[in-house]
Amino acid sequence: AQSVTQPDIHITVSEGASLELRCNYSYGATPYLFWYVQSPGQGLQLLLKYFSGDTLVQGIKGFEAEFKRSQSSFNLRKPSVHWSDAAEYFCAVGDPSGTASKLTFGTGTRLQVTL
Amino acid sequence: EPEVTQTPSHQVTQMGQEVILRCVPISNHLYFYWYRQILGQKVEFLVSFYNNEISEKSEIFDDQFSVERPDGSNFTLKIRSTKLEDSAMYFCASNTGTYEQYFGPGTRLTVT
Repeated sequence: AQSVTQPDIHITVSEGASLELRCNYSYGATPYLFWYVQSPGQGLQLLLKYFSGDTLVQGIKGFEAEFKRSQSSFNLRKPSVHWSDAAEYFCAVGDPSGTASKLTFGTGTRLQVTL
Repeated sequence: EPEVTQTPSHQVTQMGQEVILRCVPISNHLYFYWYRQILGQKVEFLVSFYNNEISEKSEIFDDQFSVERPDGSNFTLKIRSTKLEDSAMYFCASNTGTYEQYFGPGTRLTVT
């Protein structure tokens, strides 16, 4: 069964500082990989996705993520964090072998941004 | 840009009552999903639905839950007899079958 681990429950960074959120997955092959963001009281917004090809993917709001097969990781990065980035970030995996496949989410990382 | 919508945004119900949560997926999508998120916990898959039948369901999705696509636009989740532990945010999602799923804003269900 696929699983996702986000080892950091809570991260605090200063505005303007760089950010890296960690995500490790367990899956037999290369899954589809996603990062979603959830602002307080809001739904899930897709930040970026990886299906195949270039292992460095760009997303919205200046975020990027790098797929590393050898480490089973898909870490999210941003070079300079803005106060509006404070939110909960979820890494998720999907099974590319079937249609209508469920997403399996990690437990999330809550990002706090200090001014 | 098309989006998934959900109604109501907040539903309060008494234990043992039936609730129906409604979703309008993106119009050209064929695959529909329900997830839930208990407060402070991760998002969990409940069920996927395609061609008027369930494709996959989790162990959470027991006989108290059902899904339906009553017409060409709505997708509903029914909980027959709500329990306190059903209190959660329920998210609907849709897609074309592969690739990313698009999520609605959620319905917060509070069972008292």
